[in-house]
Amino acid sequence: GNSVTQMEGPVTLSEEAFLTINCTYTATGYPSLFWYVQYPGEGLQLLLKATKADDKGSNKGFEATYRKETTSFHLEKGSVQVSDSAVYFCAVQGGSEKLVFGKGTKLTVNP
Amino acid sequence: NAGVTQTPKFRILKIGQSMTLQCTQDMNHNYMYWYRQDPGMGLKLIYYSVGAGITDKGEVPNGYNVSRSTTEDFPLRLELAAPSQTSVYFCASSFSPVWGGTEAFFGQGTRLTVV
Repeated sequence: GNSVTQMEGPVTLSEEAFLTINCTYTATGYPSLFWYVQYPGEGLQLLLKATKADDKGSNKGFEATYRKETTSFHLEKGSVQVSDSAVYFCAVQGGSEKLVFGKGTKLTVNP
Repeated sequence: NAGVTQTPKFRILKIGQSMTLQCTQDMNHNYMYWYRQDPGMGLKLIYYSVGAGITDKGEVPNGYNVSRSTTEDFPLRLELAAPSQTSVYFCASSFSPVWGGTEAFFGQGTRLTVV
């Protein structure tokens, strides 16, 4: 079945640092890929997505590129802010299978 | 906008007790889902519904029941609570299936501890 391997956390950065959270996947067919974010005390919400190879999803300064050759969908941001502190989930959907989530990576950004 | 609302936020149950986790959405979404998240793990799908009166099992349905009598509500029932059901439960909804690439909207979660 489909699976997601996500970078272990927690990750602690200073404000304006560069962020990368690694995500690799296994899936059948041509999967769709997602990043969800959970801010403290809130539910998960979609951050960005990509539905075909070489697509780049972007939102709120975050980007992720669908790399089929390396089966990866790494999340990046050039300059993080304190308000980006949250838990980030990578997810994959492929074939007839339901959406599969990674374990989540907790990010803390210090001023 | 309320979105997806879950109640309660926290609950402690004794082994063998039963309870219902409530979930309601005001976006007129047909699709609704229940996930659980165990510590250090990803979300696992428990049950889902494609519309009022229609429900189906997800990845980890054992020990749970659901019903969908209205578009808005999708309660999750635990009949005989077990320690293995200690987890954080998330309800979600979407306009069309999430496995088609559609965004899902999540509630804030219910933290359940069974002792």
